[in-house]
Amino acid sequence: GENVEQHPSTLSVQEGDSAVIKCTYSDSASNYFPWYKQELGKGPQLIIDIRSNVGEKKDQRIAVTLNKTAKHFSLHITETQPEDSAVYFCAASITGTASKLTFGTGTRLQVTL
Amino acid sequence: DVKVTQSSRYLVKRTGEKVFLECVQDMDHENMFWYRQDPGLGLRLIYFSYDVKMKEKGDIPEGYSVSREKKERFSLILESASTNQTSMYLCASSAYAGTSGSGVDTQYFGPGTRLTVL
Repeated sequence: GENVEQHPSTLSVQEGDSAVIKCTYSDSASNYFPWYKQELGKGPQLIIDIRSNVGEKKDQRIAVTLNKTAKHFSLHITETQPEDSAVYFCAASITGTASKLTFGTGTRLQVTL
Repeated sequence: DVKVTQSSRYLVKRTGEKVFLECVQDMDHENMFWYRQDPGLGLRLIYFSYDVKMKEKGDIPEGYSVSREKKERFSLILESASTNQTSMYLCASSAYAGTSGSGVDTQYFGPGTRLTVL
């Protein structure tokens, strides 16, 4: 089955700096890659996703890049703010009826003032 | 807004007890999922269901069962709770992949139930 590895497990940046989280996946058939943000005491919430026919996608301060050949994808957050502090999860899926996701192990991002 | 609710935020049970975790979604979603979340392990899929009365095993189904008698409700059952089932349990739902025309649909998560088995 699919295996998703995520690095780093913790990341501390100063407010205003950029943050990058990287994930690799094992199943070349995977074609959907969402990123979730989990704030304290809440369930994960989708923040951005990318499909395998696209190399990069941006939404304001966040962007995701995908390298299908190398089987890795990354989340980029620019101009970080304290409210970006959370745990971030990457995931991979083969689209289908139930769109079953395989998650990475998570990155705890701390944005310091 | 999609709303996924879970019956309890915190639950403490004894070893050997039968435990029911309930999840309800209000968006008429076909798919529902149960995950457990443990530090350093991320989210791992226990069971999922793509229709009423249908269920499929996820990656870690041992020690768990599920029930889906109504479309909006998906229950996770621990037949005989053990201490290694102490964890955060997350429920999620999504529409059929074909609904959006994109081949995939977002999973929406509930707030989680933190279960402690003593």
